[in-house]
Amino acid sequence: NAGVTQTPKFQVLKTGQSMTLQCAQDMNHEYMSWYRQDPGMGLRLIHYSVGAGITDQGEVPNGYNVSRSTTEDFPLRLLSAAPSQTSVYFCASSRGGETQYFGPGTRLLVL
Amino acid sequence: GQQVMQIPQYQHVQEGEDFTTYCNSSTTLSNIQWYKQRPGGHPVFLIQLVKSGEVKKQKRLTFQFGEAKKNSSLHITATQTTDVGTYFCAGAGSYQLTFGKGTKLSVIP
Repeated sequence: NAGVTQTPKFQVLKTGQSMTLQCAQDMNHEYMSWYRQDPGMGLRLIHYSVGAGITDQGEVPNGYNVSRSTTEDFPLRLLSAAPSQTSVYFCASSRGGETQYFGPGTRLLVL
Repeated sequence: GQQVMQIPQYQHVQEGEDFTTYCNSSTTLSNIQWYKQRPGGHPVFLIQLVKSGEVKKQKRLTFQFGEAKKNSSLHITATQTTDVGTYFCAGAGSYQLTFGKGTKLSVIP
């Protein structure tokens, strides 16, 4: 099993550009989540999904969209990037509310 | 909403000293999880505590869950340089985890 994979590993965007962060898992987990990690702020939940076709907002959803068309994939879309979205983004999956398995992260810089 | 506070934010110890990080929730938790993140890495699950007053050990690491299921602690005995990283607690609510801000541990050889 590859576990949770994320692409790209690094990305530089200009303000106003859009992009999609990819996340995939091969563990057949129902639950998937997106977090952002900023210095001194810990991990903050952006959006989460409890199954295909079901998504919900977390603590910091503004500026981000998600969809869950399959169990395996949970992409995160930045509609119009802003410097405040410079962060490290982690995708995670779990079976129910149990152990979260994190991907390696995407480091995003918005200029 | 649910809030999880974690202290201290930073801890510097000499190798061989003990280390403790504390976690407090504003609400009663169904369970609490602990994660470790090495520098430049991603969070990795360490353990989950479910029962009131539960204590679990993993070698030099001891995890406790409070009687009211609102607080928890992680204690490392005789720290080693391999313990370096940030330790996060995460409280489980409905469908999601709320993470504390983490305690960054530095170990001085």
